[in-house]
Amino acid sequence: DTEVTQTPKHLVMGMTNKKSLKCEQHMGHRAMYWYKQKAKKPPELMFVYSYEKLSINESVPSRFSPECPNSSLLNLHLHALQPEDSALYLCASSHAGQNTEAFFGQGTRLTVV
Amino acid sequence: QKEVEQNSGPLSVPEGAIASLNCTYSDRGSQSFFWYRQYSGKSPELIMSIYSNGDKEDGRFTAQLNKASQYVSLLIRDSQPSDSATYLCAVNTVGSGSARQLTFGSGTQLTVLP
Repeated sequence: DTEVTQTPKHLVMGMTNKKSLKCEQHMGHRAMYWYKQKAKKPPELMFVYSYEKLSINESVPSRFSPECPNSSLLNLHLHALQPEDSALYLCASSHAGQNTEAFFGQGTRLTVV
Repeated sequence: QKEVEQNSGPLSVPEGAIASLNCTYSDRGSQSFFWYRQYSGKSPELIMSIYSNGDKEDGRFTAQLNKASQYVSLLIRDSQPSDSATYLCAVNTVGSGSARQLTFGSGTQLTVLP
């Protein structure tokens, strides 16, 4: 089973809203990632959690707040977003280590209005 | 800045031909290399991983790695229209705080013409 499940699949939110994206995996992976992808661009790394601890924050604005409540779950809390934050948000997971494959969820298509 | 470069394309090949996708990377310490396929509007799907110099074959796909030249490629034999997608090269690099991360190339858009 190489499944990473993201919810919701689509989200439309206003600039004053608070919402959360959720990601779940049951592959025993201890590294989980949030990526942002704009149209016709590659995925851009936002955050990395390793053993449930935040290990990389790629200078992401504070209106994005990640959370890793346990080894299977990863959340991304959204608040006061801007229209330019509209994108495909991808969660991925992998074993924590050097030679390890990362698997992506189906993504959340976010539109900020 | 650790970089991964791909020919952005687009690349068009006729059905049944071999499609060749190339990627170079800057971090000599990288040890693992991946190819992802991404259909329009979908998420990236892992199709090949390679860790050692040489060729690795899986069905119609062959990944080639040359660490001395910092070069990785993907060959798709007997290309089918269903192979039409964007192919992303990804390299496992050390990010900030010594944590490992995937660094992606810009992707090559492949179209297989019937």
